[in-house]
Amino acid sequence: LAKTTQPISMDSYEGQEVNITCSHNNIATNDYITWYQQFPSQGPRFIIQGYKTKVTNEVASLFIPADRKSSTLSLPRVSLSDTAVYYCLVYNSGNTPLVFGKGTRLSVIA
Amino acid sequence: GAGVSQSPRYKVAKRGQDVALRCDPISGHVSLFWYQQALGQGPEFLTYFQNEAQLDKSGLPSDRFFAERPEGSVSTLKIQRTQQEDSAVYLCASSLEGGGRTGEYGYTFGSGTRLTVV
Repeated sequence: LAKTTQPISMDSYEGQEVNITCSHNNIATNDYITWYQQFPSQGPRFIIQGYKTKVTNEVASLFIPADRKSSTLSLPRVSLSDTAVYYCLVYNSGNTPLVFGKGTRLSVIA
Repeated sequence: GAGVSQSPRYKVAKRGQDVALRCDPISGHVSLFWYQQALGQGPEFLTYFQNEAQLDKSGLPSDRFFAERPEGSVSTLKIQRTQQEDSAVYLCASSLEGGGRTGEYGYTFGSGTRLTVV
């Protein structure tokens, strides 16, 4: 599986747009990119996933350039409740369970 | 149920004691996963079931760890002769799809069981 690298932590003020970039230089052709969010004392929660270009849902947008060696999770207008750890994962569409890294700890400040 | 339910929520065990952690996945979900999460770290894969079959147990740290899902729904993770390094949050997740695939909606995780070995 492709190794992912993302910042350990980020700070943001309320109302700002937050972009968390993840690099996955060794991504394979049949790999997908997925992001999870984890609040304290809870399990991770699926946010978004994609293969290429742009994916948007009610929570976030995911931007994936043509070479797919990186991806950016974009959170519009964050609030204090978006303070959490965000995990970028690359997974094979075959039979491999998800492998988590350490994630990015986002702190939203009032 | 509406989500993945894990019990107990908290467990304190004396070193050497056996523990059993329960996971009730979302009804109809084919795949079930157990993860271990140490403080400040990401979840680490332990084992995976497709229905009642345990297809991957490569992440179980020792033969003291045992998991089962006898009827393809509820799963139990058992840890024998607990040690201090077993202290962690144990997370269960389920997925509608088989084969470890995440499908359109990803894995649904429970809130975990926090195990403290003293």
